[in-house]
Amino acid sequence: GEDVEQSLFLSVREGDSSVINCTYTDSSSTYLYWYKQEPGAGLQLLTYIFSNMDMKQDQRLTVLLNKKDKHLSLRIADTQTGDSAIYFCAEEILTGGGNKLTFGTGTQLKVEL
Amino acid sequence: NAGVMQNPRHLVRRRGQEARLRCSPMKGHSHVYWYRQLPEEGLKFMVYLQKENIIDESGMPKERFSAEFPKEGPSILRIQQVVRGDSAAYFCASSPPGAIPYIQYFGAGTRLSVL
Repeated sequence: GEDVEQSLFLSVREGDSSVINCTYTDSSSTYLYWYKQEPGAGLQLLTYIFSNMDMKQDQRLTVLLNKKDKHLSLRIADTQTGDSAIYFCAEEILTGGGNKLTFGTGTQLKVEL
Repeated sequence: NAGVMQNPRHLVRRRGQEARLRCSPMKGHSHVYWYRQLPEEGLKFMVYLQKENIIDESGMPKERFSAEFPKEGPSILRIQQVVRGDSAAYFCASSPPGAIPYIQYFGAGTRLSVL
């Protein structure tokens, strides 16, 4: 199956950590991705993780992957108002020398002062 | 290196008209993908093309929608006889050949409104 689920909303205070969760169903996914979408804009790649890894850290971002439970999370340390956006996780399906992405519904992160 | 360019950014059509959405991939990228985002939803895959070939069109509606990526020029997503349900944001992404992982870089999208 190709179903990716995320909670719809998350509200945090500036300076706190944010944790955005995602569950996916396709165990054959090789890479999993996190994208950020600001209002009226396209998607910006934040980070990705290879399915054989369980953690990846990139500055304020930490991705955790539990392959057994098909659970992915994105932690943003020291969350800033500029982090307010919609965050999408995506799993890839390999096809014909490329891939197609299945996106979650997106989590809207609101950062309050 | 310019990013993925989509035009127009906004497109208004009346029911029954045709909509043509253009996408110029990043330089050196020969793989193009189209996605549709309905209001309040995530992106849904439509079609994956390489130069002059449709590789995977499993997400394309069976009727009225077509896509091409000619040898020269941008990729075109064409919607004939538009209906109100076609109102959405359409995003194009591109990736270079042979690079693993297949990172997709997205354009800013075309927002189609059908009156």
